[in-house]
Amino acid sequence: AQTVTQSQPEMSVQEAETVTLSCTYDTSESDYYLFWYKQPPSRQMILVIRQEAYKQQNATENRFSVNFQKAAKSFSLKISDSQLGDAAMYFCAYGGSAGGTSYGKLTFGQGTILTVHP
Amino acid sequence: ETGVTQTPRHLVMGMTNKKSLKCEQHLGHNAMYWYKQSAKKPLELMFVYNFKEQTENNSVPSRFSPECPNSSHLFLHLHTLQPEDSALYLCASSQGPSPADTQYFGPGTRLTVL
Repeated sequence: AQTVTQSQPEMSVQEAETVTLSCTYDTSESDYYLFWYKQPPSRQMILVIRQEAYKQQNATENRFSVNFQKAAKSFSLKISDSQLGDAAMYFCAYGGSAGGTSYGKLTFGQGTILTVHP
Repeated sequence: ETGVTQTPRHLVMGMTNKKSLKCEQHLGHNAMYWYKQSAKKPLELMFVYNFKEQTENNSVPSRFSPECPNSSHLFLHLHTLQPEDSALYLCASSQGPSPADTQYFGPGTRLTVL
């Protein structure tokens, strides 16, 4: 079975600075997707960024970028120029591709609470 | 209404009650999901439906009974729950079950079992 581990229960950053959230995962599948989701307080969870495992290039979405290390099974999220609106719980998640046992299911990590200080 | 909606937003029930959670998606998606979010635990996938057919039951106790009458609606029927079932129940939908299809989440139902 796949597992996703976020070792940082809480992180904090000053507004306008950069912060990196860590995520490691375990899988025996060769093709899969990795995700970072954001859950603001009392608001809906939304997708921040997605990485396809077969793509070597790290995904970026504006101020959000990932460092995907497939061999190390590591998938960290970097938030640049942090804003107050970035404060949320961030979840790392794994999704298996077609043909794998985890297809159609997402496995989530425990989450990291990010606090942004003005 | 747009996106994924869930009702009620908050629910308090006794262990002998029967209640239902409702999820509706207005995105034209074909796959729908129930997740359980407990404090200090990862989100747990409970059920997956694709084109109204259940494709995943993640070893969920029978006191939780899902129903998917059409691709836009998903229910979770609850009966004889336990206090440890208190959690935030999230519904999500996606175009299909592929991880390439983004899952869109509802706001959740905060359930308290007394």
